[in-house]
Amino acid sequence: DSGVTQTPKHLITATGQRVTLRCSPRSGDLSVYWYQQSLDQGLQFLIQYYNGEERAKGNILERFSAQQFPDLHSELNLSSLELGDSALYFCASRGNYGYTFGSGTRLTVV
Amino acid sequence: AQSVTQLDSQVPVFEEAPVELRCNYSSSVSVYLFWYVQYPNQGLQLLLKYLSGSTLVKGINGFEAEFNKSQTSFHLRKPSVHISDTAEYFCAVSRTQGGKLIFGQGTELSVKP
Repeated sequence: DSGVTQTPKHLITATGQRVTLRCSPRSGDLSVYWYQQSLDQGLQFLIQYYNGEERAKGNILERFSAQQFPDLHSELNLSSLELGDSALYFCASRGNYGYTFGSGTRLTVV
Repeated sequence: AQSVTQLDSQVPVFEEAPVELRCNYSSSVSVYLFWYVQYPNQGLQLLLKYLSGSTLVKGINGFEAEFNKSQTSFHLRKPSVHISDTAEYFCAVSRTQGGKLIFGQGTELSVKP
């Protein structure tokens, strides 16, 4: 157990639908990062939050959004899903020691 | 901006042989360097990291890496690999001031008996 918790582990949904992925960072970590891993794009940074505020944006589509709540957990919302959104979505939290990743959510869009 | 290049997409090697996975980075500012391993159908696990100090960094599972600032490299090595080392290995960089991790494309290590 890395200390970073992601739910659900697997998600299968249809095109056009909306899903929410959840991440709880390691205790005491204020930063949360979201990444998308796909076969053709590799590990792509999507977005970073620090203590509830958005800090950096990467290659995140307009159909995707995220937020970090007062208890520091974060949610990644994916809407109007397309087949190409099928991927493994990771979150990571950062402390003085470095970055720790959760086990990921595997999203399959059918 | 920072970038990472992993020079080999696939590295096949026989069990008990040594292995080196190559990683070069580019950055105009000071960076931290990391190697992560991803076993099939699993998440990312930190192997080792370079933050400062000795340029030779030892990690888990017998892996080590050497930070070479002049060559902007951070190659990963293991003197004798096992079948269980078969996995995808990712080199990553971040600014020392914090921010996102930037990953290389990954190197698939395949250890054969």
